[in-house]
Amino acid sequence: DSGVTQTPKHLITATGQRVTLRCSPRSGDLSVYWYQQSLDQGLQFLIQYYNGEERAKGNILERFSAQQFPDLHSELNLSSLELGDSALYFCASSVVPGGGRNTEAFFGQGTRLTVV
Amino acid sequence: AQTVTQSQPEMSVQEAETVTLSCTYDTSENNYYLFWYKQPPSRQMILVIRQEAYKQQNATENRFSVNFQKAAKSFSLKISDSQLGDTAMYFCAFMYSGGGADGLTFGKGTHLIIQP
Repeated sequence: DSGVTQTPKHLITATGQRVTLRCSPRSGDLSVYWYQQSLDQGLQFLIQYYNGEERAKGNILERFSAQQFPDLHSELNLSSLELGDSALYFCASSVVPGGGRNTEAFFGQGTRLTVV
Repeated sequence: AQTVTQSQPEMSVQEAETVTLSCTYDTSENNYYLFWYKQPPSRQMILVIRQEAYKQQNATENRFSVNFQKAAKSFSLKISDSQLGDTAMYFCAFMYSGGGADGLTFGKGTHLIIQP
């Protein structure tokens, strides 16, 4: 168990709908990352937050948005869903941003989104 | 932008054998981190090993070691005495160590199968 909690584990929804994925980081971690894993695109970095502020953006669509709340949990909002948005969405957290020792990112188990 | 290439979609070896997974990357940066992540059927992303680009010494973690060739932009993973539990997808990943975008850039992955 990485200590990162993602809910729900599975989500099935129809095209055109909007969903919210939730992530609770490890205790003490200030940085949260969102990744998308799909068969077509592989694993892609979407967006990063640090202590409530957006820090970096990757390949995140305009239909997608995220935020990090004062209690440090994060939500990823996906709207106007398309079939191609079906994927595994991971949240990861780290104490502070970076990749060095003691800043390792720990991944949650992901939310499997299926758009029908 | 950086790219990560894993040229072996799938590999299969016998238990107790040694196996090497290949990874090459392309970046114009000088300071960065490289990682190998393991994704077993449970979908959990698990950090296997990390290498700081400024370190010449290759990283090792028990049965896992890397061959880091900075000039050649190559970062291979060697698994010694392979075990059935090593069966998983393995992803090579890059992270810039400066400010700005701190997300991981992943390769497409190698599916490693350890045969009994």
